[in-house]
Amino acid sequence: GENVEQHPSTLSVQEGDSAVIKCTYSDSASNYFPWYKQELGKGPQLIIDIRSNVGEKKDQRIAVTLNKTAKHFSLHITETQPEDSAVYFCAARRPGGTSYGKLTFGQGTILTVHP
Amino acid sequence: EAGVAQSPRYKIIEKRQSVAFWCNPISGHATLYWYQQILGQGPKLLIQFQNNGVVDDSQLPKDRFSAERLKGVDSTLKIQPAKLEDSAVYLCASSATGSNQPQHFGDGTRLSIL
Repeated sequence: GENVEQHPSTLSVQEGDSAVIKCTYSDSASNYFPWYKQELGKGPQLIIDIRSNVGEKKDQRIAVTLNKTAKHFSLHITETQPEDSAVYFCAARRPGGTSYGKLTFGQGTILTVHP
Repeated sequence: EAGVAQSPRYKIIEKRQSVAFWCNPISGHATLYWYQQILGQGPKLLIQFQNNGVVDDSQLPKDRFSAERLKGVDSTLKIQPAKLEDSAVYLCASSATGSNQPQHFGDGTRLSIL
């Protein structure tokens, strides 16, 4: 099955700096890669996603890049703010078959933005 | 639009007792998922429904866990009997029909086993 590795497990930055979180996946058939932000006591919230036919996607301060050849994708947050502090999860999903729709998550990155 | 609703938010039980969780997905979402999230880890899929049929339950411990989605809307997840290692947050998510539709999560039920 799919395996997703996420690094780093913790990330501490100063307000205004950039933050980068990286994930690698094992199944070359995976074609959908969402990123979720989870705040304490809340469920994961989708912040951005990318499909395998696109190399990069940007939404204001958040961007995601995908390298299908190397099977890795990254989340980039620019001009970080204290409210960006949360746990971030990457995930991968392969199409079709008995695992259609199944997301495999990384282990999470605890991002702390210091004012 | 209203999000995914889950109840209860918290539950504390002793081992070997039974417990049930309820989920109401986003209106019109045909696909419903139950995930288990152990502290410090990412969510792990337990079971996926398409309308009221099971699509994937390969990681559901069927000797103690069961789930149903009657009428293709609300769903319940049950654990009987509970073990200490079942302490986790149980998340429900739903998505619309179609390839690569995003999954939207509820806030989960935090289960503590004593």
